[in-house]
Amino acid sequence: KNQVEQSPQSLIILEGKNCTLQCNYTVSPFSNLRWYKQDTGRGPVSLTIMTFSENTKSNGRYTATLDADTKQSSLHITASQLSDSASYICVVTGDDKIIFGKGTRLHILP
Amino acid sequence: AAGVIQSPRHLIKEKRETATLKCYPIPRHDTVYWYQQGPGQDPQFLISFYEKMQSDKGSIPDRFSAQQFSDYHSELNMSSLELGDSALYFCASSLGRTRHGYTFGSGTRLTVV
Repeated sequence: KNQVEQSPQSLIILEGKNCTLQCNYTVSPFSNLRWYKQDTGRGPVSLTIMTFSENTKSNGRYTATLDADTKQSSLHITASQLSDSASYICVVTGDDKIIFGKGTRLHILP
Repeated sequence: AAGVIQSPRHLIKEKRETATLKCYPIPRHDTVYWYQQGPGQDPQFLISFYEKMQSDKGSIPDRFSAQQFSDYHSELNMSSLELGDSALYFCASSLGRTRHGYTFGSGTRLTVV
């Protein structure tokens, strides 16, 4: 069964700290994995997209990793800011399907 | 760079009314996907179109219909609105069935009162 599991479900950290979000998937065949940031009431905004051959990709303070062998991805946020408070959604595309993770709700405290 | 445009941004309707949401994909994108996201819920896939033909169908209620036009924009038509239809509706577009360049719009917030 094609699934995308994210952890933790929610996370609270202080402004300026780093954090890492996890995404494990069982989607097969695998096409690509995307991390999105979704502010409340808004559509998701793409942070990174990774294909099978890529294992690290950065976008500013966001760094995503992908291990296609273990089917795991992580999103590392460096020097968090208050504006990073949002839901982070892992989306895996495989074959003809797009599978959403349930997201990690990140709260940044001042 | 042009993004996926959705209109309106916010919409308030009464029960049993109809609503039409519009989605304008990124230029040259030929595939459009519609999602419904209730408060605190995961996005639920509703329906998608590729080259103006329905390509996949998810949990779209029979009261809803959608189509993709010759200019690739898409409209989601919702009739006999219910309170439970209150949600964020967002669309995404991509180039071809491979989901290349898959990009979301900012969404339309529908409130049914």
